Amino acid sequence: NAGVMQNPRHLVRRRGQEARLRCSPVKGHSHVYWYRQLPEEGLKFMVYLQKENIIDESGMPKERFSAEFPKEGPSILRIQQVVRGDSAAYFCASSPRDGGFNYGYTFGSGTRLTVV
Amino acid sequence: AQTVTQSQPEMSVQEAETVTLSCTYDTSESDYYLFWYKQPPSRQMILVIRQEAYKQQNATENRFSVNFQKAAKSFSLKISDSQLGDAAMYFCAYCATGANSKLTFGKGITLSVRP
Repeated sequence: NAGVMQNPRHLVRRRGQEARLRCSPVKGHSHVYWYRQLPEEGLKFMVYLQKENIIDESGMPKERFSAEFPKEGPSILRIQQVVRGDSAAYFCASSPRDGGFNYGYTFGSGTRLTVV
Repeated sequence: AQTVTQSQPEMSVQEAETVTLSCTYDTSESDYYLFWYKQPPSRQMILVIRQEAYKQQNATENRFSVNFQKAAKSFSLKISDSQLGDAAMYFCAYCATGANSKLTFGKGITLSVRP
């Protein structure tokens, strides 16, 4: 299956630890989006990356959160010094080029982060 | 800023019956796309149907169809001949054309199907 792979599927972290979420896009897709889903809420845009570039990070909290999509390897969403409010499901989507509305977005199954 | 509103948190339908899920949105753009996504308990986001704003004709995909009213900024999803496998969260989403192409989602609606 050549879908979007996210790991881990579940992640438990203690307050103050770092969380690292991985997203491997569909093979050949060079554009990755990260979304966060809080309980009883829809998905909220966080960041849009192209390989080695951050295109739009307008949805990212200013502190503790960072994202990268290197030339080789998966995209990484990093949350430093996690707090209870970071508990959520984090989804990654990929598209083959800009204009995912036209070419299609493929979503992963998400990583559920629980901060204890 | 664009917003997407799904005002019904839950709906229920009898198997084999028809149900309509409502969605409204707000935008100042003239060119955009609208989507309905299904999220079953597995959390996988599955595209149900897509509508291009400049197309007058309502999109259909098998048992799924939309009623797109551009002037009213309304985008409802009709599910015909409901099946048990249709039970899930359904999210309406909007995407402007042009730069960045990020999706804006509504809060979702939980659909249950009664056997």
